[in-house]
Amino acid sequence: NAGVMQNPRHLVRRRGQEARLRCSPMKGHSHVYWYRQLPEEGLKFMVYLQKENIIDESGMPKERFSAEFPKEGPSILRIQQVVRGDSAAYFCASSPPGLGEAFFGQGTRLTVV
Amino acid sequence: KNEVEQSPQNLTAQEGEFITINCSYSVGISALHWLQQHPGGGIVSLFMLSSGKKKHGRLIATINIQEKHSSLHITASHPRDSAVYICAVRSGANSKLTFGKGITLSVRP
Repeated sequence: NAGVMQNPRHLVRRRGQEARLRCSPMKGHSHVYWYRQLPEEGLKFMVYLQKENIIDESGMPKERFSAEFPKEGPSILRIQQVVRGDSAAYFCASSPPGLGEAFFGQGTRLTVV
Repeated sequence: KNEVEQSPQNLTAQEGEFITINCSYSVGISALHWLQQHPGGGIVSLFMLSSGKKKHGRLIATINIQEKHSSLHITASHPRDSAVYICAVRSGANSKLTFGKGITLSVRP
C-alpha cells in the first residue's frame, strides 16, 4: 500500500504563472487535507476535501487558490497567477473515514521567481 | 495566543540523554498528534493520542486531557533524532489539524 503521493516534489514558477500540485491519497482514504508551510513558519490548514466535495475551505486565500478532489484521479491544489509570497512547502495528508489518523505526503516545494 | 503552544522552541542535547518536549493546547480536542519533520523532508506521524500513553521504540507520548497537556519523550537520544517535532490537535474525528510551531531538536554526538 503506497503512501500519500505528491507530485511534483519541487516546482519552480515565474510570477504570474499557474501552479498545479497533485496529491494521491492512500488506498481506501476518502479524506484529503492540504496544508501550507511558509518559510520559518508553522503548518497552516488550507482545505479539507472528500470525493467531489469541499468540506472546509476556511484556510484558503480568497483569491487565486482553488482545490478539487474528483471522483477519479488525484486531488489538485491550483494556484493561479503566482506571487513570490506563494513560495512555500505544500503538504497533503489523507485519512480513512472516522479514524482521524493522518498520513502525510512528502510535500511539494513551490518556488516563485 | 496560539491554540497550540510548544516548549522549548529549540533544544540541544548530547547523545544518550533523555529528552522531553512539551505541548499545551487551549481547545477541546478529539486527538493529539506528534509529528516529525527532518530538514527539507516530509512529515512523519509518530503518534496519535486521545488519552493515556503510547510507546514506540525509544519514543513515548503521554497526554493529560484535564490539563490539556502532552509530552513527547525520547530515551537514549541519537543524532538521527535531530529533527523538528510538531504537536497538532484535531477537534473532531476527521476535522483539520491545528499545529504548534514545532521544536527544533539537535542531538550532538
